[in-house]
Amino acid sequence: GDSVTQMEGPVTLSEEAFLTINCTYTATGYPSLFWYVQYPGEGLQLLLKATKADDKGSNKGFEATYRKETTSFHLEKGSVQVSDSAVYFCASDRGSTLGRLYFGRGTQLTVWP
Amino acid sequence: SAVISQKPSRDICQRGTSLTIQCQVDSQVTMMFWYRQQPGQSLTLIATANQGSEATYESGFVIDKFPISRPNLTFSTLTVSNMSPEDSSIYLCSVEVAQEAFFGQGTRLTVV
Repeated sequence: GDSVTQMEGPVTLSEEAFLTINCTYTATGYPSLFWYVQYPGEGLQLLLKATKADDKGSNKGFEATYRKETTSFHLEKGSVQVSDSAVYFCASDRGSTLGRLYFGRGTQLTVWP
Repeated sequence: SAVISQKPSRDICQRGTSLTIQCQVDSQVTMMFWYRQQPGQSLTLIATANQGSEATYESGFVIDKFPISRPNLTFSTLTVSNMSPEDSSIYLCSVEVAQEAFFGQGTRLTVV
């Protein structure tokens, strides 16, 4: 069935380091793909999304490209900051209802100054 | 956007009892969603709640264990019934507004 597989964490980086968090999906159709972020003490927030193949979602310096050929949606940032420390979740939708999502397990990112 | 308030934020409950979690949204929405996040696991969709009809449950979840109410377009409750330690999880409420999913901060449930 449909699912999302996300890189295991935790990930610890120094400030200004390059970040990649891998995410792959399995789906019978062509889902929309999302990255959500959960900062300490806060709820899940949408970070970026892509709705079709080759789309690139971007926000706050983060980027992810919808790769149909590799069924991937890896999250990248060229230079992380301490304030990026959070848990990141990859997700895909289940068709027409965007609220019905498949999630990866989440990756804890800690950035040290 | 949407602002979602969930209550309680956390609770410790005895096995065999039930807990009702409330979810309030600051705008009217057609569908509300309930998720569970077990320790070390991903978020898993429990059910979709529409106002005026019975909730639709995902595979592995049943109404007797997780009854849901949806009395109006801004409110829903999820009850975790006859709890066991395996029900210890974070339960989250979610809504879809303008093609984006918004989440409450979750209810952290510990069953002892």
